[in-house]
Amino acid sequence: DGGITQSPKYLFRKEGQNVTLSCEQNLNHDAMYWYRQDPGQGLRLIYYSQIVNDFQKGDIAEGYSVSREKKESFPLTVTSAQKNPTAFYLCASSISGTGVLLWNSPLHFGNGTRLTVT
Amino acid sequence: KQEVTQIPAALSVPEGENLVLNCSFTDSAIYNLQWFRQDPGKGLTSLLLIQSSQREQTSGRLNASLDKSSGRSTLYIAASQPGDSATYLCAVRRDTGNQFYFGTGTSLTVIP
Repeated sequence: DGGITQSPKYLFRKEGQNVTLSCEQNLNHDAMYWYRQDPGQGLRLIYYSQIVNDFQKGDIAEGYSVSREKKESFPLTVTSAQKNPTAFYLCASSISGTGVLLWNSPLHFGNGTRLTVT
Repeated sequence: KQEVTQIPAALSVPEGENLVLNCSFTDSAIYNLQWFRQDPGKGLTSLLLIQSSQREQTSGRLNASLDKSSGRSTLYIAASQPGDSATYLCAVRRDTGNQFYFGTGTSLTVIP
């Protein structure tokens, strides 16, 4: 079955350490996204990528980095510069493009990674 | 910038009741609007997608409507069940790129 796999489900790190969250999709989607979700807040966009080897900052990119070396993979690194990294992180993907192609194209999500930094 | 609002933030209803969740957005230049369900500690599951040219979509006990000109969508759930308890989020896809904008969700509790 096609879908998005995020791993691990739970991640614990000490303050000051970098940590990388994995996101893999087999939906053949060009566009991939990373969102952060905190209690009482909506989803906030960290980074997104519309094609391999290209990505753009979202609303809260500071303290995060990404790479897009393969179409299927979009890992997110939470660096020690991120002041409040404890959160639920969601990866998503979608068809990319313009016009009619996008009218009926949904956004698909993985099951998330809960990161706790102490 | 597109802003998406969902009211109420929380809703509690007895089992069997029909209910309506609301979603409003400020910019009508969208490709589509999507309704999601999120269970605690899980990712988002897509329920319904309405294209900008459509008025409504139905799936089982769910019916979503879209009034793009007024910037509103509703999700109607018929004959609610305890298993419907979850957070429901709406998201719009802007028509100038590949970005999505989310509401903060409505937390629904269906009491047996």
